[in-house]
Amino acid sequence: DGGITQSPKYLFRKEGQNVTLSCEQNLNHDAMYWYRQDPGQGLRLIYYSQIVNDFQKGDIAEGYSVSREKKESFPLTVTSAQKNPTAFYLCASSPDPGLAGISNTQYFGPGTRLTVL
Amino acid sequence: SQELEQSPQSLIVQEGKNLTINCTSSKTLYGLYWYKQKYGEGLIFLMMLQKGGEEKSHEKITAKLDEKKQQSSLHITASQPSHAGIYLCGADGADSWGKFQFGAGTQVVVTP
Repeated sequence: DGGITQSPKYLFRKEGQNVTLSCEQNLNHDAMYWYRQDPGQGLRLIYYSQIVNDFQKGDIAEGYSVSREKKESFPLTVTSAQKNPTAFYLCASSPDPGLAGISNTQYFGPGTRLTVL
Repeated sequence: SQELEQSPQSLIVQEGKNLTINCTSSKTLYGLYWYKQKYGEGLIFLMMLQKGGEEKSHEKITAKLDEKKQQSSLHITASQPSHAGIYLCGADGADSWGKFQFGAGTQVVVTP
């Protein structure tokens, strides 16, 4: 059963703590992405990776870090430097970001809701 | 960066009625993607448009991209409760393939 999984579904963090959100895909996609969704603001890109061992900052990378050691995995760490981390986090993947068209379609995981206590 | 404006922000439609959502870009669209989201869940891919004047349909949902490739519409015919949710448009531009910009979304409520 192919797809993208994210864990946990709900995550609570205390002030000053780092937390890591998991994202795994078995679609054999090259590219993976992390988005943050806030009410009324749509999705904003945090980081993206087009290939293993390489990643680029998105529009709101401050306070976040990522790694891409395996093609299947793209974990996101929310650090204590992120001042307002409470949000819904979505991971996505696409077959080949270098080609326009259908092969660039991004497929999303179910999301992780992070709440800072 | 490319800005995507969606309208309306929300709408309430009676079951069986039609509805239309618009997505307008400040730049030429090289790929326009429509997604649906239930609250608290991930995005489900609906359709992708790439060519000016292109139109695609799936079940009761039709998406169109205008000839100038700066505006897209999503039309639902004879809405059903299953059509309720948030609809988002996403796009990649010529200089940012792989980096999507998303509209803020349109919340659709279907009443009996």
